[in-house]
Amino acid sequence: GNSVTQMEGPVTLSEEAFLTINCTYTATGYPSLFWYVQYPGEGLQLLLKATKADDKGSNKGFEATYRKETTSFHLEKGSVQVSDSAVYFCALIPFNTDKLIFGTGTRLQVFP
Amino acid sequence: GAGVSQSPRYKVTKRGQDVALRCDPISGHVSLYWYRQALGQGPEFLTYFNYEAQQDKSGLPNDRFSAERPEGSISTLTIQRTEQRDSAMYRCASSLSRVGETQYFGPGTRLLVL
Repeated sequence: GNSVTQMEGPVTLSEEAFLTINCTYTATGYPSLFWYVQYPGEGLQLLLKATKADDKGSNKGFEATYRKETTSFHLEKGSVQVSDSAVYFCALIPFNTDKLIFGTGTRLQVFP
Repeated sequence: GAGVSQSPRYKVTKRGQDVALRCDPISGHVSLYWYRQALGQGPEFLTYFNYEAQQDKSGLPNDRFSAERPEGSISTLTIQRTEQRDSAMYRCASSLSRVGETQYFGPGTRLLVL
């Protein structure tokens, strides 16, 4: 079946630290991969996406590369800010379907 | 432009009552999706529409749950005879077209069944 596994949180960092949130997936064919973010009190927002192997999605200083050989889509940011504190969800859409399949989410807490 | 809107934002109801949750997608978006999110979990797919046609309802947990989108725009998710286990955040999303397009989410409706 199709599934997404992401690291458990919370991830606690100091401002300007390097961030990695691991995400691996299981899917048949070639899924599209996404990172969504949920800031406190707000809805889910698309952060970045990649639709084929070796694509790199990027936005707001965050990056993730679609690695088919390791079935991974790890989220990285070189220098986090307090305003990045949120819950981050890795997700996929399996090939030729429309259902988003989410991981359980990883809470990031950044302290000044 | 306006994003996806959902109403009500919060709904408290008693067990056994029916509830109707509304979703107004982004104008011009063909596809509309419903998800349910339990506390501490990621959203789980319930059903989706292309225009007014319900394409997939495999995620609806049982026959107390139904959804419609009669004119291809606003959608209503109805839960009959609510149970405490139905308490969750219900999220709606829309996209321009189907097959892998980015889905844009609304703020969600928090349902609490007492």
